[in-house]
Amino acid sequence: QTVVTQEPSLTVSPGGTVTLTCASSTGEVSSDYYSNWLQQKPGQAPRTLIYNTTKKHSWTPARFSGSLLGGKAALTLSGVQPEDEAEYYCLLYYGAAQVWVFGGGTKLTVL
Amino acid sequence: EVQLVESGGGLFQPGGSLRLSCSASGFTFTSVWMHWVRQAPGKGLVWLSRIKSDGSIIDYADFVRGRFTISRDSAKNTVYLQMNSLRADDTAVYYCASDNWGPHYWGQGTLVTVSS
Repeated sequence: QTVVTQEPSLTVSPGGTVTLTCASSTGEVSSDYYSNWLQQKPGQAPRTLIYNTTKKHSWTPARFSGSLLGGKAALTLSGVQPEDEAEYYCLLYYGAAQVWVFGGGTKLTVL
Repeated sequence: EVQLVESGGGLFQPGGSLRLSCSASGFTFTSVWMHWVRQAPGKGLVWLSRIKSDGSIIDYADFVRGRFTISRDSAKNTVYLQMNSLRADDTAVYYCASDNWGPHYWGQGTLVTVSS
């Protein structure tokens, strides 16, 4: 069973920078995994911020960026705002099995 | 404006069946893959299934294959999720989403509760 692993929780100060990562139990995450990053606030539906590793949707604030880092997918927030406090999920595509798999989520606290 | 509206949730008995619907508007439904994702209370997101724009390709997470069935009706701009042999651990909010290299636009979800 494929497992996608994220940091359970991270804390960042307002104005700071934080990087969330996403690892696959199958090995190195590459661009072939078309990694997505989603934000979810309590009581709300998820919102996709990053798709295809680095691409932003029209609603994605400029301070969010996606990348590959050390064999993992990564989401970097630069100049964190209080409203960025949320749960963040990564999502990877496994082409051989033709399935998508979510990570367990990272609870980001802005403090 | 893109809108995805799920319906069909409610309280269901273990062993029963239900069909969720997701009505889409504001984009060209016939050009887009569609996903179903669920979230149990207090838990994370779980990808369930996706269907190609013309319905010719369907993928499922292993744990729902054979029990859940995704389908779509282009005339109604609607995607469906048929859920059979319901279990208590199917209790969750079910979201549909349009695809753009992964889930793109999301609905607000519909709550399914499986309990006797």
